[in-house]
Amino acid sequence: NAGVTQTPKFQVLKTGQSMTLQCAQDMNHNSMYWYRQDPGMGLRLIYYSASEGTTDKGEVPNGYNVSRLNKREFSLRLESAAPSQTSVYFCASIGPNTGELFFGEGSRLTVL
Amino acid sequence: QQQVKQSPQSLIVQKGGISIINCAYENTAFDYFPWYQQFPGKGPALLIAIRPDVSEKKEGRFTISFNKSAKQFSLHIMDSQPGDSATYFCAASMGESSASKIIFGSGTRLSIRP
Repeated sequence: NAGVTQTPKFQVLKTGQSMTLQCAQDMNHNSMYWYRQDPGMGLRLIYYSASEGTTDKGEVPNGYNVSRLNKREFSLRLESAAPSQTSVYFCASIGPNTGELFFGEGSRLTVL
Repeated sequence: QQQVKQSPQSLIVQKGGISIINCAYENTAFDYFPWYQQFPGKGPALLIAIRPDVSEKKEGRFTISFNKSAKQFSLHIMDSQPGDSATYFCAASMGESSASKIIFGSGTRLSIRP
């Protein structure tokens, strides 16, 4: 049981380049989330998908887009990367009854 | 009013000592208070959680103390071990059914000295 799987684990981009972070979960969870983690800032919600076919903005959505491809997969896209998007990105899904968030191992993105 | 303030930012404790991390919130609508533990290079994982209808919850060496009137809650790690060295996040939410309502604290980096 892999839980939440994120790819890639590391990525270096130049300003203006685009890329997509992939996320898949095998726990049959309805809701999935993308967070970014920056030093001293905790975890901030970028976008979430309450169920297949729906997506909504979180606290810091600017510069990002998402796609809920199916129940398992939720991708995060940076259309034109900026140095301010240098961060560690975490995908998560939530257990239906416990409220427990299950996180992937993170994707470390550096924008030069 | 949506913030969760966490302190200290970093903490060093001797092996066997008690580690204490504090959090404060403003929104009285919060009704679920989880703590997450994160090891380097890994994603956060749920450690322990509490609802405001109890003042304390204990799981092994980990205890949450909750003060509803002061709008504060804390994590106590008894007999701290080097393996407890990690970053800890407190959080608060209005209902536990959706992570879109979870607000995280800024995190505490805990180091346990052998």
